[in-house]
Amino acid sequence: GEDVEQSLFLSVREGDSSVINCTYTDSSSTYLYWYKQEPGAGLQLLTYIFSNMDMKQDQRLTVLLNKKDKHLSLRIADTQTGDSAIYFCADPRTGNQFYFGTGTSLTVIP
Amino acid sequence: DAGVTQSPTHLIKTRGQQVTLRCSPISGHKSVSWYQQVLGQGPQFIFQYYEKEERGRGNFPDRFSARQFPNYSSELNVNALLLGDSALYLCASSLDAGGAGELFFGEGSRLTVL
Repeated sequence: GEDVEQSLFLSVREGDSSVINCTYTDSSSTYLYWYKQEPGAGLQLLTYIFSNMDMKQDQRLTVLLNKKDKHLSLRIADTQTGDSAIYFCADPRTGNQFYFGTGTSLTVIP
Repeated sequence: DAGVTQSPTHLIKTRGQQVTLRCSPISGHKSVSWYQQVLGQGPQFIFQYYEKEERGRGNFPDRFSARQFPNYSSELNVNALLLGDSALYLCASSLDAGGAGELFFGEGSRLTVL
């Protein structure tokens, strides 16, 4: 997905907040998604945001959407060691064809 | 309820061989999609099937083919394997083929081509 970009690495201390950023190019998506992938595993849906919203909160997760700048972010509050994983933003296009970013590898330091 | 199941979980092939990967969607889901995830990259869309018909195809060569069966399970076939086909192949299911549907992923089939 060269049309969906993310920074590759993020390292935070346990208990701090993590912010993972994503930029996308297609502005017609109804929803934008965040997925989590743990080592050797498939992708697990974390959360999503409807395109007419600018913020969605779901327990420790906050998603911010800036449609004008085509920028999406995922904030994880009180980051735990179990949050260490790769996080992908995903932009669904025609039908249900998802375009994924390259993924951000989050490392949580105890 | 069982999630998306894929088989085999791991396999090793040599260049030029052919491989078939299998996927069973979540019960009630009619759409199955296949993605290729090369190490260090995000998943790339290969195919989408809905009600046994191909609904979308990504930028992959004709060596890649797929089909969906009446029970909505699916197979991905790759012929004339190349070293670059080594990847995690992910299957995802969704209720329908619409653009707002959530994708549920299986654990993947890890293919190594030697």
